[in-house]
Amino acid sequence: RKEVEQDPGPFNVPEGATVAFNCTYSNSASQSFFWYRQDCRKEPKLLMSVYSSGNEDGRFTAQLNRASQYISLLIRDSKLSDSATYLCVVNSPGFQKLVFGTGTRLLVSP
Amino acid sequence: GAVVSQHPSWVICKSGTSVKIECRSLDFQATTMFWYRQFPKQSLMLMATSNEGSKATYEQGVEKDKFLINHASLTLSTLTVTSAHPEDSSFYICSARTSGRTDTQYFGPGTRLTVL
Repeated sequence: RKEVEQDPGPFNVPEGATVAFNCTYSNSASQSFFWYRQDCRKEPKLLMSVYSSGNEDGRFTAQLNRASQYISLLIRDSKLSDSATYLCVVNSPGFQKLVFGTGTRLLVSP
Repeated sequence: GAVVSQHPSWVICKSGTSVKIECRSLDFQATTMFWYRQFPKQSLMLMATSNEGSKATYEQGVEKDKFLINHASLTLSTLTVTSAHPEDSSFYICSARTSGRTDTQYFGPGTRLTVL
């Protein structure tokens, strides 16, 4: 089983749509969780950290369910510029390194 | 925010040659730097973790004699791909972490290596 699993997509949505991405992780001892965004042929950029109580940043909402080892990202009112690959990232306990999911590709069309 | 640069941004080389990639933290001191590799349509795979002044820790399956890492200062780490072969063609990305923020990593823009 992969340490971090994501649906690869692609998710094709029209502008203005709401879209949700899910991610599961295998190590119950993980403590830090993130969503990164990666554009084609570019480096990943931190979108937001994910906290146990859930957190929101503008149109983006992240949720964490530790019992189910499940992380989600909700994007409201999708923009064309949201088209990218979204990477679910989890820390590897004891090793102080990050483990990346394979990413979910989002395509927002006019 | 913290800025990490990489040089070169892309390189094309002949099979059998060695290529050096530099990773610099521009406005902070990076006690730890990480080197990743990303093949097309795949996620980032950690190759090695480099702590300033000590030997790098390589992930399983990564040849330390082929991928030489040097982290001689708090702002510079280098990755040298020795005797490169076409299968080494990939997107190499470094990241840097400060001592106070154990999980936040700042990524460089990546280096695209093509070995002919």
